[in-house]
Amino acid sequence: GEDVEQSLFLSVREGDSSVINCTYTDSSSTYLYWYKQEPGAGLQLLTYIFSNMDMKQDQRLTVLLNKKDKHLSLRIADTQTGDSAIYFCAELAGEDDKIIFGKGTRLHILP
Amino acid sequence: EAQVTQNPRYLITVTGKKLTVTCSQNMNHEYMSWYRQDPGLGLRQIYYSMNVEVTDKGDVPEGYKVSRKEKRNFPLILESPSPNQTSLYFCASSSGAGGLGEQYFGPGTRLTVT
Repeated sequence: GEDVEQSLFLSVREGDSSVINCTYTDSSSTYLYWYKQEPGAGLQLLTYIFSNMDMKQDQRLTVLLNKKDKHLSLRIADTQTGDSAIYFCAELAGEDDKIIFGKGTRLHILP
Repeated sequence: EAQVTQNPRYLITVTGKKLTVTCSQNMNHEYMSWYRQDPGLGLRQIYYSMNVEVTDKGDVPEGYKVSRKEKRNFPLILESPSPNQTSLYFCASSSGAGGLGEQYFGPGTRLTVT
């Protein structure tokens, strides 16, 4: 079945780059997403990538997609305290276009 | 302002007492869904609706009901809540089931069943 996996925690020093990794199982996924959840709030779409792309850059965010290995990553350059949140990887999968979420990676910023 | 609202935001109730969590969106979205978020389990879809009067089970529908009588509203009903339904619930809506139909999430409802 469809599954999305990501590590649960990541600690990064302020100013460094953060790289959050994700693997998925559905090779027919057409869209892959990164959502951000700040404390006490709902999820907010950060960025997405279409499956025929290898990379997408949006200001401090870079998404890399390795379709062969079914691996997706989110790089946040110059990590700031406001980036502290849970980041969810998600894929659009299956015949019914269901969005499958990973369990989320909690990003902790060290001073 | 485009938004998804949920009420109540916090609820403490007792086992067996029926409750409803309301969800409303003002974006004329066709697709709405309910998720529950539990530590270590991430987001799991409970029910979803592709349009008015069309609802389908998600991954964890047991113990829940939904209805979609109007496009903007998608209430979640717990007929007989149990402690294992203590969780953080999110309603979401989008213009499509996936693709570029970005899902907009409500602020969440934290439910405790004692």
